[in-house]
Amino acid sequence: NAGVTQTPKFQVLKTGQSMTLQCAQDMNHNSMYWYRQDPGMGLRLIYYSASEGTTDKGEVPNGYNVSRLNKREFSLRLESAAPSQTSVYFCASSRTRLGYYQPQHFGDGTRLSIL
Amino acid sequence: DAKTTQPNSMESNEEEPVHLPCNHSTISGTDYIHWYRQLPSQGPEYVIHGLTSNVNNRMASLAIAEDRKSSTLILHRATLRDAAVYYCILRADGGATNKLIFGTGTLLAVQP
Repeated sequence: NAGVTQTPKFQVLKTGQSMTLQCAQDMNHNSMYWYRQDPGMGLRLIYYSASEGTTDKGEVPNGYNVSRLNKREFSLRLESAAPSQTSVYFCASSRTRLGYYQPQHFGDGTRLSIL
Repeated sequence: DAKTTQPNSMESNEEEPVHLPCNHSTISGTDYIHWYRQLPSQGPEYVIHGLTSNVNNRMASLAIAEDRKSSTLILHRATLRDAAVYYCILRADGGATNKLIFGTGTLLAVQP
């Protein structure tokens, strides 16, 4: 099973360029998430989607937009990239079962550098 | 949101048990304690979680203090593959999305 697949794995952008990070999961999960991880730090939630058609802001949403294209896919867009957005971006997904914790499954990340 | 405190780093020898501590003195009654780990150049992976009772699974054991202000992740026989950053996380949201708030975790080094 592929699990959570992120593309691309690496990308270098110039300041001001735009880019969309792609994420797809094949586990039929309802919830999907985007995190960023800066060097030496833990992950911070950017946006999440509890179900197809819904999205909500996390801790650090400024400078990003998201689209939950369908149940499988959740994309993250940088409209005008800034050097402060240089980071490793992780996508995750989980089942949704109210009242019960469902572990999140993570992709291997997209390493994004903005010059 | 309740916070967790973990040592920045720990070392262990291969095939020996490892006890990774986590303090969470402001934990609320409904907070679950979760552990994830992140291997080098990979995304985090779920390890274990619990509420009040000790928990065991194929990867590890979780020992929770009676007052729930601290917990310990136990790896019974460390292997080189267990070298990773281990995150102790309290569930941030009781709703449907299971949002997680990661701290900086404990970097575990395993010596052969």
